[in-house]
Amino acid sequence: NAGVMQNPRHLVRRRGQEARLRCSPMKGHSHVYWYRQLPEEGLKFMVYLQKENIIDESGMPKERFSAEFPKEGPSILRIQQVVRGDSAAYFCASSPQKNTEAFFGQGTRLTVV
Amino acid sequence: AQKITQTQPGMFVQEKEAVTLDCTYDTSDQSYGLFWYKQPSSGEMIFLIYQGSYDEQNATEGRYSLNFQKARKSANLVISASQLGDSAMYFCAMSRHMRGSYDKVIFGPGTSLSVIP
Repeated sequence: NAGVMQNPRHLVRRRGQEARLRCSPMKGHSHVYWYRQLPEEGLKFMVYLQKENIIDESGMPKERFSAEFPKEGPSILRIQQVVRGDSAAYFCASSPQKNTEAFFGQGTRLTVV
Repeated sequence: AQKITQTQPGMFVQEKEAVTLDCTYDTSDQSYGLFWYKQPSSGEMIFLIYQGSYDEQNATEGRYSLNFQKARKSANLVISASQLGDSAMYFCAMSRHMRGSYDKVIFGPGTSLSVIP
């Protein structure tokens, strides 16, 4: 049973480009959470999704950021027109239900140059 | 508002010794969960241990134990018999509800632990 898979592991984008981060939850998990870790900081909650629904996006920046978790395929975190301040590690976690332990992926390290 | 404080940015411990990583939290919720995660240099987040606010006994998982003092709002992690592989960042975290509600997990700033041979 593979764990939470995130790809790419490392992503380099120039300012103004788009970044697409993918997360495949563990088999049987229908809840996905995205977190951002800025350098030298802890993880900050961004968004919580179930299949085809955004449940809580209170941690998402108001502009340029969006997330989806379609019926088929991975969850996508999309950052448009990236800026240097978007450089961070983005972690995805999944759980089978809301109130159970979440398992983290290995993260995607985004570098904006 | 919820807040997690880890006052030790860096810690050193001799191999085979025990070490305590401090964590204090602030919440007005009656029901909450406390977690510790380990993040080695490779970057992944590894779940270590969980304590529910209504659990009467301190949680233990192998060499990890959580010293939960509810009145003081502290949830210190104790690692016994440190190993070189324990060198990593350690994050204390809190969720709003018992056992999960990961949509509202708050993480502390972390403590870097270095185990000395």
